[in-house]
Amino acid sequence: QSVLTQPPSASGTPGQRVTISCSGSSSNIGSNYVYWYQQLPGTAPKLLIYRNNQRPSGVPDRFSGSKSGTSASLAISGLRSEDEADYYCAAWDDSLGVFGGGTKLTVL
Amino acid sequence: QVQLQESGPGLVKPSETLSLTCTVSGGSISSYYWSWIRQPAGKGLEWIGRIYTSGSTNYNPSLKSRVTMSVDTSKNQFSLKLSSVTAADTAVYYCAREGMVTGGGLDPWGQGTLVTVSS
Repeated sequence: QSVLTQPPSASGTPGQRVTISCSGSSSNIGSNYVYWYQQLPGTAPKLLIYRNNQRPSGVPDRFSGSKSGTSASLAISGLRSEDEADYYCAAWDDSLGVFGGGTKLTVL
Repeated sequence: QVQLQESGPGLVKPSETLSLTCTVSGGSISSYYWSWIRQPAGKGLEWIGRIYTSGSTNYNPSLKSRVTMSVDTSKNQFSLKLSSVTAADTAVYYCAREGMVTGGGLDPWGQGTLVTVSS
């Protein structure tokens, strides 16, 4: 049982916009930054979004993050086949790291 | 560009202690928090804990009684020890840096190392 709640799966067709939700509580998302990680098959996770809505250098602007209260969302626009991956939300909770259970994104 | 590399035994016997080291290259280990994360096959990510270069630690409460982390700034390395392992500790173990620019986001990550607990 993960501290942050994500849907186990999501899907879309190329070019579509998809969103992945992440629900937490006042002690984690509600009072700290949210991060999103992308894990392509067989690879280590990679930071995709930090400080709720900031993209590291090299991450396409098709990826965007938002946060409201104790929930956050990752949006992917112009969906591409290479976006098929697992996506994890994360936050700090009183100096402890917490992750969502992950969302498997399928590009149909 | 900072790179991280995990190393350690790939096979550990039940009830023994898992020991892993993360070597940091391309930058200094100083003045950062360094985390360990694990992922059982086909499952999600679990944060194990973190250590600051001063030696200050935070551990996942579910693992706290079995986890010890340490740092060796002279070798640019930090380490994880997990005692009394069982099959449930079989996972890919990752090390990662908590960035200042990223406001606590973990970046970069090591490639991960598979540790299997089996007799």
